[in-house]
Amino acid sequence: EPEVTQTPSHQVTQMGQEVILRCVPISNHLYFYWYRQILGQKVEFLVSFYNNEISEKSEIFDDQFSVERPDGSNFTLKIRSTKLEDSAMYFCASSDGLPNEQFFGPGTRLTVL
Amino acid sequence: AQRVTQPEKLLSVFKGAPVELKCNYSYSGSPELFWYVQYSRQRLQLLLRHISRESIKGFTADLNKGETSFHLKKPFAQEEDSAMYYCALRRSGGSNYKLTFGKGTLLTVNP
Repeated sequence: EPEVTQTPSHQVTQMGQEVILRCVPISNHLYFYWYRQILGQKVEFLVSFYNNEISEKSEIFDDQFSVERPDGSNFTLKIRSTKLEDSAMYFCASSDGLPNEQFFGPGTRLTVL
Repeated sequence: AQRVTQPEKLLSVFKGAPVELKCNYSYSGSPELFWYVQYSRQRLQLLLRHISRESIKGFTADLNKGETSFHLKKPFAQEEDSAMYYCALRRSGGSNYKLTFGKGTLLTVNP
């Protein structure tokens, strides 16, 4: 069964550094999402992406964040200058239609030191 | 604004006992409600959604609009049900389907 994959599984970085989190959505899916979960808190929506543009973003998704679909398979989340409070588990999800199930990846744990 | 509340952080039951995981929501429009489950070291996966009205792994959930609740129930818990359970909401209709999650309830089913 096809699955969403994410790399790396764990990323450690220094504050102020740029990180790129990578996701490979399920191949026929067109709608892509990033969520994050700070330890002990709820899973929070960051951004949704369709047809090569952002369709909605949360207030968390400020100018430090960007998303891209650089080719036909990858979907990336970039954080330009990481802060301590960016430490979290980041989940990618994809869907083949707006009302349909969102399938989640296993997550990338980002640790900012 | 959309909000989902799961009042229990932890829930522990014995095998064979009934289990109910509570979920309340706040949303001014017409919501879709979901339960997601995350087993140890696995990804979030959809357990059930209210519009499908089906029972998955013996779990059911009924949307109660009057009480704005979507509690998850199972009459006889099994050890393999031990997991983190998240209630989630999204609006129905419109151009975006972001999910709003509760904080989750960790269910432990003891032998």
